[in-house]
Amino acid sequence: GENVEQHPSTLSVQEGDSAVIKCTYSDSASNYFPWYKQELGKGPQLIIDIRSNVGEKKDQRIAVTLNKTAKHFSLHITETQPEDSAVYFCAASIPQAGTALIFGKGTTLSVSS
Amino acid sequence: DVKVTQSSRYLVKRTGEKVFLECVQDMDHENMFWYRQDPGLGLRLIYFSYDVKMKEKGDIPEGYSVSREKKERFSLILESASTNQTSMYLCASSKGLRTSSYNEQFFGPGTRLTVL
Repeated sequence: GENVEQHPSTLSVQEGDSAVIKCTYSDSASNYFPWYKQELGKGPQLIIDIRSNVGEKKDQRIAVTLNKTAKHFSLHITETQPEDSAVYFCAASIPQAGTALIFGKGTTLSVSS
Repeated sequence: DVKVTQSSRYLVKRTGEKVFLECVQDMDHENMFWYRQDPGLGLRLIYFSYDVKMKEKGDIPEGYSVSREKKERFSLILESASTNQTSMYLCASSKGLRTSSYNEQFFGPGTRLTVL
């Protein structure tokens, strides 16, 4: 079945630096890749997503890139701010499982000012 | 705004008890999901449902069952709670037909269950 690996598990950056989180997936039939942000005490919230017919998508300081050949996708956060500190999860669609997703294990991002 | 609510934020139960976790969404979403979240393991899918009275097993269904009698409500049941089911349980919902394009999953705040 589908498997998603996420790296790194923790990431510490200084305010204003960029942060990059990488994920790989195993099933080439997966076609939807969302990223979720989870703040302390809250449920995850979608921040950006990309579908397999697109190589890159950007929304202000956040961008996601997808390399279908290599089966990996990445989240890029530029000009990081303390409020970006949270746990970030990547996910991939599960082929033949409707709209279900499989999630990576998460990256704890700490932005220090 | 889409709202997904879970019946309890914190719950403490004893080994062997039958436990019900309730989830309600107010946006007429077809799909609903139950995950458990454990440190270092991320979110793991337990069960999901794409219609009333329909259910599909996720990655870790053992020890759990679900019920969806109404579109807005999806219940997770621990038939006989065990200590290894101590975890954070997250419910989510999304629009869309079972085999159509993917849509954003909206999560509830979670229920932290402790089984003693």
